[in-house]
Amino acid sequence: GQNIDQPTEMTATEGAIVQINCTYQTSGFNGLFWYQQHAGEAPTFLSYNVLDGLEEKGRFSSFLSRSKGYSYLLLKELQMKDSASYLCAVSDSNYQLIWGAGTKLIIKP
Amino acid sequence: GAVVSQHPSRVICKSGTSVKIECRSLDFQATTMFWYRQFPKKSLMLMATSNEGSKATYEQGVEKDKFLINHASLTLSTLTVTSAHPEDSSFYICSARDLQAGGDYNEQFFGPGTRLTVL
Repeated sequence: GQNIDQPTEMTATEGAIVQINCTYQTSGFNGLFWYQQHAGEAPTFLSYNVLDGLEEKGRFSSFLSRSKGYSYLLLKELQMKDSASYLCAVSDSNYQLIWGAGTKLIIKP
Repeated sequence: GAVVSQHPSRVICKSGTSVKIECRSLDFQATTMFWYRQFPKKSLMLMATSNEGSKATYEQGVEKDKFLINHASLTLSTLTVTSAHPEDSSFYICSARDLQAGGDYNEQFFGPGTRLTVL
């Protein structure tokens, strides 16, 4: 079956760095997405990886290892507004998104 | 970036009534739109994939007669929850795929969601 695993909840301190991991097992692979979702709102796109390596975009970076079925989202210089759920999603062989359950990130002052 | 709108953003209805939710791609043509529902503190659950001009493909366990999907144009898809019951109360989110966009062509753009409460 298809499976996406990510931690349920993480806590970090304002100004610090946090890494959210995602492992996946899917039928086919056409890229991995990270989305941010604030409570009561729809997800917003953060990053897309289809090749191995690190993609950097401002304070956010995303890494992919296809051979390991592994990705992480790295958030630097954490701000209180970064408190949200972070969803990992893999595009399978049919280009459908398979979603992880999301990681709730709590930022403390 | 591509913009997807959803209407209404919030709806409260009585049990037994039907509710229609619209999803529009505002600045691009979306041959494929997706409908999700999300329960509190849960991940997105794909309900159906909607292709313009053809019947929607429903995921296993989703009642096609209860959740009617129409994708009549390249910019509009509608989801109608028929004879709604309290257990249908949820957050419904649509997304659209812009196949004409370069690069990450399989990226999905999300609407803001519709909060449905059935009394």
